[in-house]
Amino acid sequence: ETGVTQTPRHLVMGMTNKKSLKCEQHLGHNAMYWYKQSAKKPLELMFVYSLEERVENNSVPSRFSPECPNSSHLFLHLHTLQPEDSALYLCASSQQTGYEQFFGPGTRLTVL
Amino acid sequence: GIQVEQSPPDLILQEGANSTLRCNFSDSVNNLQWFHQNPWGQLINLFYIPSGTKQNGRLSATTVATERYSLLYISSSQTTDSGVYFCAVEDGRSNFGNEKLTFGTGTRLTIIP
Repeated sequence: ETGVTQTPRHLVMGMTNKKSLKCEQHLGHNAMYWYKQSAKKPLELMFVYSLEERVENNSVPSRFSPECPNSSHLFLHLHTLQPEDSALYLCASSQQTGYEQFFGPGTRLTVL
Repeated sequence: GIQVEQSPPDLILQEGANSTLRCNFSDSVNNLQWFHQNPWGQLINLFYIPSGTKQNGRLSATTVATERYSLLYISSSQTTDSGVYFCAVEDGRSNFGNEKLTFGTGTRLTIIP
């Protein structure tokens, strides 16, 4: 599936590092999402963007900072993370909010 | 918020067997999706099925919205069917632009050769 791509696929970072996750969708969709999947927990919605405007911030700590420069690209900027932030971060897109969502392959993040 | 429960949590079957996975939800929904997460973490869309029945090869799904449940059927299981199956719903009371999917905890399916 090449509709939604994510880079990098794996990332190991220290608690003082700054890194960014990138998501790109090639489906012509107008809505994009960040989800977090931790071990033993359901997928949790983090952010929703519709037409490049953030419409949902699901009580996410400020050490996670999203950016949506256009409808095809979504970033998640990370800084001063904690070990408990280690998880699989998944990006998704949909034609618009409320429509079927399609997911990228995820970035597996480990915070040391 | 809306609650989503999936059962069983784990299922181990012999290759060739049939299985039924269940998703119960606590309120009306506008959207329901079934996903298969493979061992590498990729979520693969199976069905977009807020109501009714759909079939795709060996897989089929039925959602009875009035009774707040959905079923995923897998027939003639293959080892490649192994993985975690998630149901996700969108609360029927969501406002436009504020829709979001709430995921269940999944059913881990293991198919033994």
